[in-house]
Amino acid sequence: QKEVEQNSGPLSVPEGAIASLNCTYSDRGSQSFFWYRQYSGKSPELIMSIYSNGDKEDGRFTAQLNKASQYVSLLIRDSQPSDSATYLCAVNKNNDMRFGAGTRLTVKP
Amino acid sequence: SAVISQKPSRDICQRGTSLTIQCQVDSQVTMMFWYRQQPGQSLTLIATANQGSEATYESGFVIDKFPISRPNLTFSTLTVSNMSPEDSSIYLCSVDIQRDQETQYFGPGTRLLVL
Repeated sequence: QKEVEQNSGPLSVPEGAIASLNCTYSDRGSQSFFWYRQYSGKSPELIMSIYSNGDKEDGRFTAQLNKASQYVSLLIRDSQPSDSATYLCAVNKNNDMRFGAGTRLTVKP
Repeated sequence: SAVISQKPSRDICQRGTSLTIQCQVDSQVTMMFWYRQQPGQSLTLIATANQGSEATYESGFVIDKFPISRPNLTFSTLTVSNMSPEDSSIYLCSVDIQRDQETQYFGPGTRLLVL
């Protein structure tokens, strides 16, 4: 079992729709959770962090964490073509950050 | 966050040579990390570079192949030694700003092609 699992996609949504990205992790002791966006040819850019169960909203982005289910998700509302990128889920425990393989999102105009 | 720069941004190297990548941060940070991202893959941690102590390497990575220096709290280097085409990858440094609860911020990366 991989430490951090994501559906590789590609996930395709129409412009204006909600994109839902999912991630599961294996270590129950994981303490902090992150979503990074990576455009082709660029380095990962932090877009959301979440540390406790529940939802955390930042603009069009909502991160959801369920530690009992070991599940993290990212919702992107009103998706835009500029949101087309690979989204990396990352899980951290004691400064040991593990990344998922990423989900490639395409938002079609 | 932090402003992180890497040099070089890209390079094409010959087999058997070595390349040293520099990572500079605009503020003092305790922990710096070096990752590799091969084409179409996710990030793989090479090592953690702590100032004042030897780097801690992940399984599959050794100091002889990837020597790391961390002379102060704002700078680190990663050397890719005796390169082969399999070392062609993007190399990324990241920093952990403690006040941001173990959040890591990435530099722009170094794109390496080994012929």
